[in-house]
Amino acid sequence: SQQGEEDPQALSIQEGENATMNCSYKTSINNLQWYRQNSGRGLVHLILIRSNEREKHSGRLRVTLDTSKKSSSLLITASRAADTASYFCATSGGYNKLIFGAGTRLAVHP
Amino acid sequence: GAVVSQHPSRVICKSGTSVKIECRSLDFQATTMFWYRQFPKQSLMLMATSNEGSKATYEQGVEKDKFLINHASLTLSTLTVTSAHPEDSSFYICSVNVGQTYEQYFGPGTRLTVT
Repeated sequence: SQQGEEDPQALSIQEGENATMNCSYKTSINNLQWYRQNSGRGLVHLILIRSNEREKHSGRLRVTLDTSKKSSSLLITASRAADTASYFCATSGGYNKLIFGAGTRLAVHP
Repeated sequence: GAVVSQHPSRVICKSGTSVKIECRSLDFQATTMFWYRQFPKQSLMLMATSNEGSKATYEQGVEKDKFLINHASLTLSTLTVTSAHPEDSSFYICSVNVGQTYEQYFGPGTRLTVT
């Protein structure tokens, strides 16, 4: 079953702008991960944030986690056309099983 | 990380036939692999956890007799869709865990179309 919701479902921006995607989940977690999927392809791991962390950076990516609100956000700064993809959050509560959110489809226009 | 391949990348079959999809971990010995299904513009739904040398663990609502999983070696898991129907048309993706991390590495997916 899906863990929760992501918003927005779709986001369209211009190159150079920042993109923010949000994810909510329902149960206790060990960690939360963000993945990227180009159309018709498999998923690529972007970043993992543990339940005891509040913020994490990786290049142009910034992830926050608020366990009290059961929510996370992914910020992509200075977006590029190549960032066009679907982005999914996924939570892990045990046994290494991942439960994915609904995803945000990001379109970055040159 | 791990490099994961899937074969075939696309398959079209007739209703009532069976289709086998392979998932290979090319550079890592995976005791556990995961199978997901993804419908167009939707998220990934975990179907089952494939365990090397033992029976797969299926998620609630997934028919084990319809989706046969075999994990006979540390580098290969297969998913067989038996007596396929058009509603089984979907994108099937496998993944592996590496070591003690929670990250998963995904195959490129298999697009199944049942006519």
